[in-house]
Amino acid sequence: GAVVSQHPSWVICKSGTSVKIECRSLDFQATTMFWYRQFPKQSLMLMATSNEGSKATYEQGVEKDKFLINHASLTLSTLTVTSAHPEDSSFYICSASGGTPGTDTQYFGPGTRLTVL
Amino acid sequence: ILNVEQSPQSLHVQEGDSTNFTCSFPSSNFYALHWYRWETAKSPEALFVMTLNGDEKKKGRISATLNTKEGYSYLYIKGSQPEDSATYLCAPLGDSSYKLIFGSGTRLLVRP
Repeated sequence: GAVVSQHPSWVICKSGTSVKIECRSLDFQATTMFWYRQFPKQSLMLMATSNEGSKATYEQGVEKDKFLINHASLTLSTLTVTSAHPEDSSFYICSASGGTPGTDTQYFGPGTRLTVL
Repeated sequence: ILNVEQSPQSLHVQEGDSTNFTCSFPSSNFYALHWYRWETAKSPEALFVMTLNGDEKKKGRISATLNTKEGYSYLYIKGSQPEDSATYLCAPLGDSSYKLIFGSGTRLLVRP
């Protein structure tokens, strides 16, 4: 199956710093990439959807100025958590799809554990 | 927003047992349903994408059925093995917008 990598797998940073997470589709072109977060004992929650070359679409309640998403190519999307605070500590995971909306498989990366001190 | 429920939350079975679990969603608003298996420290692995009422899909010892009229999907595992231990997630879509709404998952532990 298609492979999606995510880097870093875990990161610890100080409050107020920014953290960038990369999501790459390794063997297919991802027209759409998705960013999710998961709080302890909760479901994966969609944060935003990004299409290559256009601005990301953010879900209600997700601050676009805080979570900057760039989808510069068909194989790379980045999520930057700006001015991170302890409440941003969470598990962030991306997925990528190259096909028909809704019925095509989303392929997931392994996720990034962010801890903000 | 779809309200997705998965049951049971967790399940412990003995190796060789067959098992099944449920994903429930509003039947009034359905486009497709995805099933994923998520092992600890790995990427969620796509199992099935289901779209039609009455669909039945199979992958090895794992199969899934879909009833869109009553709003549920069953996932079955025949002859469970320890390597089947994982969290099984379902995610229905209410439209073609790609937005998967994940349930909280069923955590399966298969004892040798």
